[in-house]
Amino acid sequence: QEQLVESGGGLVKPGGSLRLSCAASGFTFSEYYMSWIRQAPGKGLEWLSYISSSGGTISNADSVKGRFTISRDNAKNTLYLQMNSLRAEDTAVYYCAREGTWGRGAFHIWGQGTMVTVSS
Amino acid sequence: QSALTQPASVSGSPGQSITISCTGSSSDLSVYNFVSWLQQHPGKAPKLMIYDVSKRPSGVSNRFSGSKSGNTASLTISGLQAEDEADYYCTSYTGTSTVFGGGTKLTVV
Repeated sequence: QEQLVESGGGLVKPGGSLRLSCAASGFTFSEYYMSWIRQAPGKGLEWLSYISSSGGTISNADSVKGRFTISRDNAKNTLYLQMNSLRAEDTAVYYCAREGTWGRGAFHIWGQGTMVTVSS
Repeated sequence: QSALTQPASVSGSPGQSITISCTGSSSDLSVYNFVSWLQQHPGKAPKLMIYDVSKRPSGVSNRFSGSKSGNTASLTISGLQAEDEADYYCTSYTGTSTVFGGGTKLTVV
């Protein structure tokens, strides 16, 4: 079945870096836009970044511009999020999500999430 | 990239219908018909319930329906069931990003 599995979360000190991965299976990964979305403890969902199916188009939320970089490897069916200059307010569960075949902005498939904790 | 506005909470009794509103701006909801609704149970990943304003993914009950008028979208759940108790989020595409609503906690009393 269609599945996304995130990994790479953990505890990191303020100012540190972390790279998250999202492994896709059960669908043709290279045909879909992908996004990263996070949820701070007890808070709502926040869209962070999307990347087009080819990787040629990227957009980022203002909150992570210049610090987070989304990328993908279609040969490995994997999405990445490189997070630099991490802050306490970046503490959250990070989800990868797949958009639909047509249209934009709807997240049809979600991973289970990976927790990132930024603390000294 | 302002968030969409949702009521913090709504409640209803089993069998009743409820509607959750989602208000946007001239740069998102009123421009694009790319509005979706997500359901999230505690400790779980969100699940897509409605996309493109009113379309239901395969497997989602027809008790869930969506609509939009101007800069306000709505999710209606009819025949409320205990398992509908969850947080609900609206989203809208803006042309360069996706914005989320703050979320609405649905309590089935």
